[in-house]
Formats: sequence, structure tokens, C-alpha cells
Amino acid sequence: QVQLKESGPGLVKPSLTLSLTCTVSGFSLSSYGVIWVRQPPGKGLEWMGVIWGNGNTNYNSALKSRLSISRDTSKSQVFLKMNNLQTEDTAMYFCARWAFDYWGQGVMVTVSS
Amino acid sequence: DVVLTQTPPTLSATIGQSVSISCRSSQSLLHSNGNTYLNWLLQRPGQPPQLLIYLVSRLESGVPNRFSGSGSGTDFTLKISGVEAEDLGVYYCVQSTHAPWTFGGGTKLELK
Repeated sequence: QVQLKESGPGLVKPSLTLSLTCTVSGFSLSSYGVIWVRQPPGKGLEWMGVIWGNGNTNYNSALKSRLSISRDTSKSQVFLKMNNLQTEDTAMYFCARWAFDYWGQGVMVTVSS
Repeated sequence: DVVLTQTPPTLSATIGQSVSISCRSSQSLLHSNGNTYLNWLLQRPGQPPQLLIYLVSRLESGVPNRFSGSGSGTDFTLKISGVEAEDLGVYYCVQSTHAPWTFGGGTKLELK
């Protein structure tokens, strides 16, 4: 069955780079796009970006200068890297299939010194 | 970027009551391919979002048919015909017609 699972550090210091991994099963990254969505504590959802089956990407305008999404199709993994982290980047980070039909449970990331 | 405005921000309902949530877009969500990529999600407390409706009015597999979606262009509505306790949470509309994709601000459905 289709599954997605996020992994990464729970705590990142300000100004450093966040690296998250989304490991998928039950579908091919060459056929389906994967999105990243984040949610600050007590707030709404924010779309971060997508990597399509052909490897093309689109990003949130506000995050574009700091954000990179890539993948390793052989390992069924999608990667998110965001640099120069600030306290306002503290959030739950989710990966999901592009059609919003399957989601991971999310990983909480806290930005603090 | 497309702005999605959801109203109301909070909705209080009794079990069995029918309710509607509005989602208005700052520009038409009709794609050049003829599809309108407007989706509705429900996020229960402590859970990831769940897809309810896609392409404005198509019910996701396994979602009860008390949920329905309608609309076109810039105005969309999610209706719940007979709220049940399991429907409580925050509802989001999200558009994937125009990059970057964007979410509405959410509507919290509470028990009255």
C-alpha cells in the first residue's frame, strides 16, 4: 500500500540548514509527484513545493531562495533542504503525494539555539 | 500568487446539522486543460490532513457521501449534510491549478 514517512532532526540551530527525507513505498517517484507542506504550531498549512515525476520542481515564492527539493528514485526518497533557518521555520513538516491523497505523519522541527 | 479566502473561520454545529464552508479565489482556478484543481482537506487534531474532495466535486474513495463540493471559477463550497462527531477538525481548501499552490486559511468545525 502507499506510504510516506518523513525523517530528520527534531532540533536545528538558527542560520543552519534543515535536511529532511521523505521515504515512500507503494508507488514510483518517476510516476508521481511529491509535495512538502509545513504547519507552524497552532497555525494553518503552507505549501512549500513539489517535485514532479519528471524531476521538475516548483516552489513557494516566499521560500524559493532558501529551498531545494530533490530525489533519489532508486531509493524511493525525496529530500528537502532549506538554508538559513529562523525561529519562524519551527513547524511540523509533511510530505504527501501531489494529489493530496496520501500523507506522511509529519516530523516536528524546532529552530532554537 | 493565488489567495484563497475561507469563510467562516470558525463554525459551530450540532450533530445532524448541515453546514457549508466557502472558499473564494483571487483568480479563476480553471486550468487551460479544462480541469479546476480545487480540493478540500480535513485535518483532525494531531493528524495529517485527509483528502475529502478533489477537482471541485469528486469524492475521494472512502469518504462518506454526506460531504459534497460545488462551485466554479473563483467561488467554491464544501457542504456537510448532517454533521457527525468524527467530522470535527479544521477544513482547508487548496488549489493546484496555478503554481505556487496555495491553501486557504482554514475553517474550524466545532460542536455547539
